[in-house]
Amino acid sequence: EDKVVQSPLSLVVHEGDTVTLNCSYEVTNFRSLLWYKQEKKAPTFLFMLTSSGIEKKSGRLSSILDKKELFSILNITATQTGDSAIYLCAVWDGGGSQGNLIFGKGTKLSVKP
Amino acid sequence: NAGVMQNPRHLVRRRGQEARLRCSPMKGHSHVYWYRQLPEEGLKFMVYLQKENIIDESGMPKERFSAEFPKEGPSILRIQQVVRGDSAAYFCASSYETGPGSPLHFGNGTRLTVT
Repeated sequence: EDKVVQSPLSLVVHEGDTVTLNCSYEVTNFRSLLWYKQEKKAPTFLFMLTSSGIEKKSGRLSSILDKKELFSILNITATQTGDSAIYLCAVWDGGGSQGNLIFGKGTKLSVKP
Repeated sequence: NAGVMQNPRHLVRRRGQEARLRCSPMKGHSHVYWYRQLPEEGLKFMVYLQKENIIDESGMPKERFSAEFPKEGPSILRIQQVVRGDSAAYFCASSYETGPGSPLHFGNGTRLTVT
């Protein structure tokens, strides 16, 4: 059965800390891995990764994929209270006629002032 | 550019009633996906549609649930004879094309409460 596993499930840090969120996956036909940030409403897209070893970066956030070891990490440096959210990892499985985006349960990040 | 629009934001139904959730994709997007999210759970895929066609409904419960995406108008997720276990947040997402090259863009969701 396909699965996407995120760790830790929750994390509490103080402003200024650096955090690393983990996502491992096991799917039939890996195509790409995506990270989303979910606050109260819609998950918002952060990164999409298809190739191993190539870091994607956006401000204080960065992410990298390891297709050999089947995992990805999302790093957030100099955290701020506005980074508090649930971070979702999803893997696009290309099996079947169209495939679908399979989500992990998320990591709930709380950043304290 | 308007994003993915879902309505209503909150919906309360008594057991046995019908729930209809609407989703208008982003302009130019012809692929629509419905996901369900329970507390402490990730987003669970339900169904993937293109205009007038259901492409993949492998995540849909076999009974009481149906979805459509007509040629004109929004996509509709319909739940008949709702039960308490249907209470959840239902998210719609759209994309320009399907597959790994096209991230999904999500709406704000409809929170269904069954009393």
